Amino acid sequence: DGGITQSPKYLFRKEGQNVTLSCEQNLNHDAMYWYRQDPGQGLRLIYYSQIVNDFQKGDIAEGYSVSREKKESFPLTVTSAQKNPTAFYLCASTHTGTGGHPPLHFGNGTRLTVT
Amino acid sequence: DQQVKQNSPSLSVQEGRISILNCDYTNSMFDYFLWYKKYPAEGPTFLISISSIKDKNEDGRFTVFLNKSAKHLSLHIVPSQPGDSAVYFCAAHPLLTGGGNKLTFGTGTQLKVEL
Repeated sequence: DGGITQSPKYLFRKEGQNVTLSCEQNLNHDAMYWYRQDPGQGLRLIYYSQIVNDFQKGDIAEGYSVSREKKESFPLTVTSAQKNPTAFYLCASTHTGTGGHPPLHFGNGTRLTVT
Repeated sequence: DQQVKQNSPSLSVQEGRISILNCDYTNSMFDYFLWYKKYPAEGPTFLISISSIKDKNEDGRFTVFLNKSAKHLSLHIVPSQPGDSAVYFCAAHPLLTGGGNKLTFGTGTQLKVEL
């Protein structure tokens, strides 16, 4: 079955440590996205990538970094510079260049807790 | 600056009745709107969408209405079923993004369908 896999589902880290969240898709989608969800808030865009080896900052990119070395993979690193890293992180993907507005497909998320 | 607002954090409806979820937006450049449904600890799944050139789109039990002059859209679920209990996010896509399928999400409404 095609889909988006985020791992791990739960992640615990000590403050001051960098941590990398994995996102892999086998949907052959060009574009991939990272969102963050906090209680009482909508999903906020961290970074997105429309093509391999290229990515752009979203609305809340500070304290995060990404890479897109392969079409299937878009890992997100939460650095120690991120002031409030505890959140639910969602990865998404979609086709591009098809016209219209294809909906995003989401993974099941990673809940990161930093203490 | 919340450009997409869902002012009701929660809604409770009896099984078989109509559920109406509301969404307001402030950015007149939004031209495409989507509803996503999210269960706990899972990623959102696409439900239904509407283009700004339409005022209604229907898919089975789900209908989305768009009132551009009021910058308001609503999702109607008829009849409501217990399996519809989830968080519903409204999302909007601007006409010009400069690239990238960048959605702006509302804060979500928790729907509970009671027996």
